[in-house]
Amino acid sequence: AQSVTQLDSQVPVFEEAPVELRCNYSSSVSVYLFWYVQYPNQGLQLLLKYLSGSTLVKGINGFEAEFNKSQTSFHLRKPSVHISDTAEYFCAVRENSGYSTLTFGKGTMLLVS
Amino acid sequence: DSGVTQTPKHLITATGQRVTLRCSPRSGDLSVYWYQQSLDQGLQFLIQYYNGEERAKGNILERFSAQQFPDLHSELNLSSLELGDSALYFCASSAMSDGNTIYFGEGSWLTVV
Repeated sequence: AQSVTQLDSQVPVFEEAPVELRCNYSSSVSVYLFWYVQYPNQGLQLLLKYLSGSTLVKGINGFEAEFNKSQTSFHLRKPSVHISDTAEYFCAVRENSGYSTLTFGKGTMLLVS
Repeated sequence: DSGVTQTPKHLITATGQRVTLRCSPRSGDLSVYWYQQSLDQGLQFLIQYYNGEERAKGNILERFSAQQFPDLHSELNLSSLELGDSALYFCASSAMSDGNTIYFGEGSWLTVV
């Protein structure tokens, strides 16, 4: 079965500083990987996804993530954050085998001040 | 706006009662998903329907049931409610052509008192 671990429950950062939100996954088969963002009182919005091809994936709002198969990681990065990036970020995995559904991590709260 | 509409946005009800949450997927999307988000469990997949048929089942309690109607809208029925059922319930949908891009509604807040 697949699982996702987000290592940090909360990441405080100053505006215009870079940030990395960490995500590790576990699966016995190849996977698809996703990052979602949830702003206060809103639903989840897809930031970016890795399905195949280039391991560096660019998403919306200046975010990017890199798939590292050997380390089973899919960390999310942004070179310079804004106050408006304050939100909860969820990493998710879906196995690329047969039929499977999205499994989410516990989320990381990004606090920009 | 994701195009996924959920009603009601907020609901307060007493233990032992039954409620129905409604979801209208994005126009043309055949797949509907239900997720539960709570502080202790995080985001948990409950159930998925595809064009009226149950496609996958996750951590859905026997007290909960769902269905998807011919017009593709879906309802999640929660019965014999307990305090622990208080959570944010998300509906999401995806297109047949791109099952890896899932669009979430803004959720229905359920408070059981």
